Amino acid sequence: GQNIDQPTEMTATEGAIVQINCTYQTSGFNGLFWYQQHAGEAPTFLSYNVLDGLEEKGRFSSFLSRSKGYSYLLLKELQMKDSASYLCAVSGLGGYNKLIFGAGTRLAVHP
Amino acid sequence: GAVVSQHPSWVICKSGTSVKIECRSLDFQATTMFWYRQFPKQSLMLMATSNEGSKATYEQGVEKDKFLINHASLTLSTLTVTSAHPEDSSFYICSARDTDRGLDGYTFGSGTRLTVV
Repeated sequence: GQNIDQPTEMTATEGAIVQINCTYQTSGFNGLFWYQQHAGEAPTFLSYNVLDGLEEKGRFSSFLSRSKGYSYLLLKELQMKDSASYLCAVSGLGGYNKLIFGAGTRLAVHP
Repeated sequence: GAVVSQHPSWVICKSGTSVKIECRSLDFQATTMFWYRQFPKQSLMLMATSNEGSKATYEQGVEKDKFLINHASLTLSTLTVTSAHPEDSSFYICSARDTDRGLDGYTFGSGTRLTVV
């Protein structure tokens, strides 16, 4: 089976830094994605990692270690609007490069 | 950039009726589309993989006779929820893969909120 695990909920303070972890055990791997999703909306693409290391994009960074089956999303200078669910997803599963999601982490940013 | 149009955005239907949801890739050809379902406070659960010109591949536990998928062209996939019941009320989202964009080329539709009364 496929296992993609991430914490259910996290809270953080405006202006701070938060790290959301994701571990995975999957039968295939073509890359790991992070998405942001606000309630009632479609997910928004944040990052994609296929090689080990850190990818930085503005206030958001994502790290991948394939040997450890581990990734994290780092959010800096948190803003209230960053309150959302953050979804970790793995692609490359099955013959059609299926994209499978973890349960998501609900992040609440407070003043 | 790649755009996927999903309609309707929301729909309310009576129990026992059928509802069709459309997913179109507007500026690229998508040989593969994915259909997800999301219940409140839960993540996206893959229901099926839609392939142009062939039968859809359903995930374990998803009733293929209840959730009919048709991918008749390279730009259109439809999901029909047949004989809908209140427990089918959910947020349905499609995703199309633009293979020209490489391994990260997944684009999501805006989702359809289905309420069965």
